Amino acid sequence: GQQLNQSPQSMFIQEGEDVSMNCTSSSIFNTWLWYKQDPGEGPVLLIALYKAGELTSNGRLTAQFGITRKDSFLNISASIPSDVGIYFCAGQGATSGTYKYIFGTGTRLKVLA
Amino acid sequence: DTEVTQTPKHLVMGMTNKKSLKCEQHMGHRAMYWYKQKAKKPPELMFVYSYEKLSINESVPSRFSPECPNSSLLNLHLHALQPEDSALYLCASSQGDVSGELFFGEGSRLTVL
Repeated sequence: GQQLNQSPQSMFIQEGEDVSMNCTSSSIFNTWLWYKQDPGEGPVLLIALYKAGELTSNGRLTAQFGITRKDSFLNISASIPSDVGIYFCAGQGATSGTYKYIFGTGTRLKVLA
Repeated sequence: DTEVTQTPKHLVMGMTNKKSLKCEQHMGHRAMYWYKQKAKKPPELMFVYSYEKLSINESVPSRFSPECPNSSLLNLHLHALQPEDSALYLCASSQGDVSGELFFGEGSRLTVL
């Protein structure tokens, strides 16, 4: 199925560092969602974005809905060991269709204490 | 309370068995989803029920049979599965609006022997 370009694929960082990841698409989206998934568990919704240019925070996490509506960014500040996991973006829009969320390929984050 | 409950958490079945996965949500959501997720891959959409009617079937083999008994419950009936069907099966729900937050359950880990 269709997937979004998500980068980086994986990253190793030191505890306390800031992290940035992004998703890009050739299609316009109306909604961007960001998830964190731990091994063997379901994805947990972190942030939802609905307007172009929107910047939303959830604790140490900040996400932005790109102005072109074709991309989104997630930043994690002052990373801690429990931030380890896989982060997925998901977009939904007219081209994907109602109820169809297109997922990114995921960013695997490892935090070194 | 943003909770989607899935049972069982783990299931092992033979290729001739018949089993079912169950999902329940009490958020008043009107859209419910089944996704399949292989290791290190994003979730893949299988089925969507909207207002208790099947809205989307992503060309899923007939050995997977979804059922939506009411607006809170979603089942996935399994019969004559193949070893390659082993995966994490995720249930999700959303309000039913065009662009809404998608909440996942913890998943059911299926192993087909």
